[in-house]
Amino acid sequence: DTEVTQTPKHLVMGMTNKKSLKCEQHMGHRAMYWYKQKAKKPPELMFVYSYEKLSINESVPSRFSPECPNSSLLNLHLHALQPEDSALYLCASSQDPNRSPDGYTFGSGTRLTVV
Amino acid sequence: AQKITQTQPGMFVQEKEAVTLDCTYDTSDQSYGLFWYKQPSSGEMIFLIYQGSYDEQNATEGRYSLNFQKARKSANLVISASQLGDSAMYFCAMREGQLGDYKLSFGAGTTVTVRA
Repeated sequence: DTEVTQTPKHLVMGMTNKKSLKCEQHMGHRAMYWYKQKAKKPPELMFVYSYEKLSINESVPSRFSPECPNSSLLNLHLHALQPEDSALYLCASSQDPNRSPDGYTFGSGTRLTVV
Repeated sequence: AQKITQTQPGMFVQEKEAVTLDCTYDTSDQSYGLFWYKQPSSGEMIFLIYQGSYDEQNATEGRYSLNFQKARKSANLVISASQLGDSAMYFCAMREGQLGDYKLSFGAGTTVTVRA
């Protein structure tokens, strides 16, 4: 299995809703990432998990809450989002971050619309 | 400060011709990696090619080749024999050499449109 699977593919939520994005990989990768991407812009890093521990938080607002229940799963819990949070959310994974890595594998993303 | 610079917002190329996408980078690390990704309108990010800072040969993967000029800090992507399916946004990215603190910095991207 060489894929990163993200669910759902599309999500529409109200500003008072609570929802979660899910990311799963079975490649034995030990680092997992959340990126946010606005239209026609590059991906922006949000969080990095290394060996199931949060290693990087790029000053993301607390309405985004990541969780890594095990080495194969990464969740992003969403609460009280704003319309400007509408974007494509990409999950990625990579091999052991303590070795010299050579690439990420990205999921196909969740297109989030906040209304 | 911008670490990855892609100066071509958009490019048109005729089918079957080659196209070069420019990328320059800025780092003080000796160990780093450079990547190119393709993103079609569907949104998925597809890994194309990788060049390590210590690699002496330019990387090649099928129709993709990376023209790595370390002294100039450039890592241009060459797509040969363009196909209609190559129409997409292309991102250059750099991994900097802090093991255990692994993240990629992306350039602004170049949109490629292949004409029949």
